Amino acid sequence: SAVISQKPSRDICQRGTSLTIQCQVDSQVTMMFWYRQQPGQSLTLIATANQGSEATYESGFVIDKFPISRPNLTFSTLTVSNMSPEDSSIYLCSVQGANTEAFFGQGTRLTVV
Amino acid sequence: GEDVEQSLFLSVREGDSSVINCTYTDSSSTYLYWYKQEPGAGLQLLTYIFSNMDMKQDQRLTVLLNKKDKHLSLRIADTQTGDSAIYFCAESGGGSYIPTFGRGTSLIVHP
Repeated sequence: SAVISQKPSRDICQRGTSLTIQCQVDSQVTMMFWYRQQPGQSLTLIATANQGSEATYESGFVIDKFPISRPNLTFSTLTVSNMSPEDSSIYLCSVQGANTEAFFGQGTRLTVV
Repeated sequence: GEDVEQSLFLSVREGDSSVINCTYTDSSSTYLYWYKQEPGAGLQLLTYIFSNMDMKQDQRLTVLLNKKDKHLSLRIADTQTGDSAIYFCAESGGGSYIPTFGRGTSLIVHP
């Protein structure tokens, strides 16, 4: 299994501002994943981040709103840009194990006011 | 697309067994997973089962898979208050390495 450190663990932000979430893994991984978890909902994949290339975004998510960096094999950031209350959610960083199982960070609980 | 369904709530008495059920639609699923999410935390992988298995037991946890009916269950024996959490079912396979998650079942354990 992988140990994933995510920060901040929570934040309250003003609408119109941006927040960058950091994800650090204790081992080198090819792919890192960013999910959104809205209250009472399933996890929704935002994008897949590979080192050295642009992130691949899922339907409904765009780079301008959720820019992602992947500077090396152990680190990634997700920025939530120009936030609105609808962006209030838990954001989760994830990496994949040998049996395609997902390992998660502790999540970032974002509240936009 | 793939779909994973779970009931949203389950309430049990401490010491009883809990059974959380899940159905999925992708007949080519290779792996099926159970995750636990405690308040304020990320998802913790509890256990997983290969699609060619019927059952997997790990201490108090028993996973049953009925591949024909595409039904997965998680049984927690001697349920404790510390088991109160949201339990997510997930599956992967069929050419996609990215798991599809259910909406989670909130397990409430009362004395």
